[in-house]
Amino acid sequence: DVVLTQTPSTLSATIGQSVSISCRSSQSLLDSAGNTYLYWYLQRPGQSPQLLIYLVSNLGSGVPNRFSGSGSGTDFTLKISGVEAEDLGVYYCMQATHAPWTFGGGTKLELK
Amino acid sequence: QVTLKESGPGILQPSQTLSLTCTFSGFSLSTYGMGVGWIRQPSGKGLEWLANIWWDDDKYYNPSLKNRLTISKDTSNNQAFLKITNVDTADTATYYCARILWAHFDYWGQGVMVTVSS
Repeated sequence: DVVLTQTPSTLSATIGQSVSISCRSSQSLLDSAGNTYLYWYLQRPGQSPQLLIYLVSNLGSGVPNRFSGSGSGTDFTLKISGVEAEDLGVYYCMQATHAPWTFGGGTKLELK
Repeated sequence: QVTLKESGPGILQPSQTLSLTCTFSGFSLSTYGMGVGWIRQPSGKGLEWLANIWWDDDKYYNPSLKNRLTISKDTSNNQAFLKITNVDTADTATYYCARILWAHFDYWGQGVMVTVSS
């Protein structure tokens, strides 16, 4: 199975600060057709996960543009340019290039 | 508006079969490219993908659960189902269903808590 390693596991930030979360894959997520099936989700406390980024760098519907995704191959990054209070929660990366689909262990974003 | 809602037994005993239902609206599982997946999350822990079913009735399972999973759908009633046989305490979790648009979960249900206890 593909292992997704997220760092850091916990991130403390102040409102307005820019932060980044890394997701490193044990295998390349580029498939033979040139697609990279890497996604980012946010799970706010007590809620179900919501889609932030699809296919590495595309913003999900209704997601603010302070969120951005980048990366290729095995290394991916989610950046939040100016944290807001509603951004607190646990962030997960997920890959769907290789079966079985797998999630990273999560990065908890909390207020400093 | 896409919505999904999970339902289940709440609590069951070890060795029993867990039956979950996902009732959805705002899309059809007969539409090309659509699917529904099941994901679970033990309390305070991460997410684990379990199974997917697609518009053409293709099914995919997480091999870590071996042959314990069965996913199915009722397209006319906008429902998807998941059965897990021979449950034990390690299956205690919140179970989510989610819509799959091509290769990702774009809408999630609120989740249903399932406890396995004797």
